[in-house]
Amino acid sequence: SQQGEEDPQALSIQEGENATMNCSYKTSINNLQWYRQNSGRGLVHLILIRSNEREKHSGRLRVTLDTSKKSSSLLITASRAADTASYFCATPPNQGAQKLVFGQGTRLTINP
Amino acid sequence: DTAVSQTPKYLVTQMGNDKSIKCEQNLGHDTMYWYKQDSKKFLKIMFSYNNKELIINETVPNRFSPKSPDKAHLNLHINSLELGDSAVYFCASSPQGRLLSGNTIYFGEGSWLTVV
Repeated sequence: SQQGEEDPQALSIQEGENATMNCSYKTSINNLQWYRQNSGRGLVHLILIRSNEREKHSGRLRVTLDTSKKSSSLLITASRAADTASYFCATPPNQGAQKLVFGQGTRLTINP
Repeated sequence: DTAVSQTPKYLVTQMGNDKSIKCEQNLGHDTMYWYKQDSKKFLKIMFSYNNKELIINETVPNRFSPKSPDKAHLNLHINSLELGDSAVYFCASSPQGRLLSGNTIYFGEGSWLTVV
């Protein structure tokens, strides 16, 4: 079953603008992770936020987590053409947790 | 140095054929996975192995048979290929599968399978 659902499914912005992607999930989580997938490539881990954290930063990335709303957002500031990719949120289900369950991703296009 | 490598990257084959995808990781991880990504980019886990032992089999048809000769290798064999098997198959690994405690997954570059 799909745990995370990203919103929007596709986002197109101008270079230099900020991009915000949202993720909603269904069950309680221990942590939530964001991954990036460039076209034709594998997924690469970007950032992890734990359930007891509300916000985390990594370079131009800012992730927030609202466990009461079961949602997370990924903000990319000052976007660049190289940020064009698909972005996925993923969570380990509490039961067993030997896997990550991914959403369907947000396709981000940065226009020069 | 490629951390998780899988071959072949592209595979076009006819229905009914049997094919294999190989995967190797040099990260020293204990846990390896196979994920399937469909045309809508939806990524779904198929199998997970921990130290050569199968720990997850997500109701995948038994035409799909993973094999882990050692903890650094996880191969995927597919029998009697069907059109619906066309997808991108990703091999991945993580340290001992402790994803709850914050470990992350490292993915290979994917194998594009097209069944015609």
